[in-house]
Amino acid sequence: GAVVSQHPSRVICKSGTSVKIECRSLDFQATTMFWYRQFPKKSLMLMATSNEGSKATYEQGVEKDKFLINHASLTLSTLTVTSAHPEDSSFYICSFTWADTQYFGPGTRLTVL
Amino acid sequence: QKEVEQNSGPLSVPEGAIASLNCTYSDRGSQSFFWYRQYSGKSPELIMSIYSNGDKEDGRFTAQLNKASQYVSLLIRDSQPSDSATYLCALGNFNKFYFGSGTKLNVKP
Repeated sequence: GAVVSQHPSRVICKSGTSVKIECRSLDFQATTMFWYRQFPKKSLMLMATSNEGSKATYEQGVEKDKFLINHASLTLSTLTVTSAHPEDSSFYICSFTWADTQYFGPGTRLTVL
Repeated sequence: QKEVEQNSGPLSVPEGAIASLNCTYSDRGSQSFFWYRQYSGKSPELIMSIYSNGDKEDGRFTAQLNKASQYVSLLIRDSQPSDSATYLCALGNFNKFYFGSGTKLNVKP
């Protein structure tokens, strides 16, 4: 299967700071990527979808100015949580599609103090 | 109505038994179907994909698809405690994916 990396795996930050999460596909070039958020014991929640070369499409209720997504290339996407607050603490997971299948990164655990 | 429906469980089976996980979906035009396994605190990992009606076997796992009845299932033979996880059913439709909320499986030693 395809390999996706995510960095950092864990981050703890103070309220009001911005955090950048990187997601890379290591062995394929992806046409579409997704960012998800998952709260403890809850389902995956899709935040946004982006196709290379175009702006991300955000799901209803997700603030695009707070969660900045840059699909920089076919192998790299970044999510920046701006002015993070404790309620943004969650597990953030990226995924790329290849051959009509989604492959997930290992996730980033964000804790905002 | 949700696109993908799963029983949240937990489903408890004894070690060595067959675990049967089920999923129904609403979009008849769906083309591809997936089962993912998610351990607590980890991201989902792909177990199987299935595209046509019938059974697809991979080791201890068998995926079953019935497009007419709009359901897809996953059978796990000889269940092991290490199979204890949440299993997510997903369907894909032209680069749009829909996930079920997952079924929690507990395999008791």
